[in-house]
Amino acid sequence: DVKVTQSSRYLVKRTGEKVFLECVQDMDHENMFWYRQDPGLGLRLIYFSYDVKMKEKGDIPEGYSVSREKKERFSLILESASTNQTSMYLCASSLIGRKGETQYFGPGTRLLVL
Amino acid sequence: AQSVTQPDIHITVSEGASLELRCNYSYGATPYLFWYVQSPGQGLQLLLKYFSGDTLVQGIKGFEAEFKRSQSSFNLRKPSVHWSDAAEYFCAVGVGGGATNKLIFGTGTLLAVQP
Repeated sequence: DVKVTQSSRYLVKRTGEKVFLECVQDMDHENMFWYRQDPGLGLRLIYFSYDVKMKEKGDIPEGYSVSREKKERFSLILESASTNQTSMYLCASSLIGRKGETQYFGPGTRLLVL
Repeated sequence: AQSVTQPDIHITVSEGASLELRCNYSYGATPYLFWYVQSPGQGLQLLLKYFSGDTLVQGIKGFEAEFKRSQSSFNLRKPSVHWSDAAEYFCAVGVGGGATNKLIFGTGTLLAVQP
């Protein structure tokens, strides 16, 4: 079974703090993704990576950065957290290839910024 | 522009009743279509996907979906709903390819099941 794990299920941070969300997958997938999920907006892509040290902006990259130093690990960084970044963050991974590749999701991290 | 529309934000059905969740997509090429389910507090799980061939696709947990190109739709169905089906359901279309294959998601449909 594909397993995608996220470092925290719940996180509470203060405005201005630097926040790291970690994601690890164990299936040797090339692609990894970070989404945020908000009620009524569905899932919106923040960043994705198709190889180590490679990254591409998604639809809403502002206020976020990412790091992929190893193939299995993809980190989302909030350089200076703000209250409008309170959300559910989901990590996913997939094989590289056709646009029909299945993405496998982690359980999510619910972040509250006070 | 590529997009996915799920017109129903919230649906309530009785246990044992049939279910249909609607999904419409906008995509210029042959679509790759997905349905995911998210149980409360969990990540997303793939229910089924359509690539090509038979337009009626079978998935897990007794779900099926039908691709209708003429209507740009990919509706999800289940003949008899169980209480454990209460969850949020997301339709998605695959775009890009190679290094840039991505999914575009709809806004989701929240399913409640009445006893």
